[in-house]
Amino acid sequence: KAGVTQTPRYLIKTRGQQVTLSCSPISGHRSVSWYQQTPGQGLQFLFEYFSETQRNKGNFPGRFSGRQFSNSRSEMNVSTLELGDSALYLCASSLAGQVQYEQYFGPGTRLTVT
Amino acid sequence: AQKITQTQPGMFVQEKEAVTLDCTYDTSDQSYGLFWYKQPSSGEMIFLIYQGSYDEQNATEGRYSLNFQKARKSANLVISASQLGDSAMYFCAMREAYTGGFKTIFGAGTRLFVKA
Repeated sequence: KAGVTQTPRYLIKTRGQQVTLSCSPISGHRSVSWYQQTPGQGLQFLFEYFSETQRNKGNFPGRFSGRQFSNSRSEMNVSTLELGDSALYLCASSLAGQVQYEQYFGPGTRLTVT
Repeated sequence: AQKITQTQPGMFVQEKEAVTLDCTYDTSDQSYGLFWYKQPSSGEMIFLIYQGSYDEQNATEGRYSLNFQKARKSANLVISASQLGDSAMYFCAMREAYTGGFKTIFGAGTRLFVKA
């Protein structure tokens, strides 16, 4: 069974631009979560989707948004990029959104904002 | 507030020896899940082991075991017979219900160095 895939793997953008990151979960998984990882802040929760509905959102500004499609694939969008948005963005999928289901992570998208 | 604490920024262990990575958590919920993940230098997060808050026995997965002490709110990871490939960053995480959905929070991580 294929794992979680994320595209693109690397991205360089200029301040003020916007970016869209994509995540394809493991087949059959309905829950997708996004995380931002930086050396200073560690792993921070961005949002969680289940069956096309955003169930939770972390403490990030409105420039960060996302959505999930009927096939469970998810996209994350960041508008008006800032230098501080440079990070590794990780997507994780799980069978369902309950506490006992482990999350499987994709390889991440490394975003650099210049 | 939800919180995960990993007090060891870095740890060294001799190859073939066992090592314990500490994790304490803070929650007022009765139902939660505790996870450990490994992150090699490649960046990908690898699931290692899970412990449910209602599980009475400590979880084990191959060389990994989780020392779960609920009253102390600790969930330490024990790696037996360390291998060079175990050198990586290790994250403790807790997942619980949160405002209609679920949320996973991670500790700051412990970097493990395995010496030959």
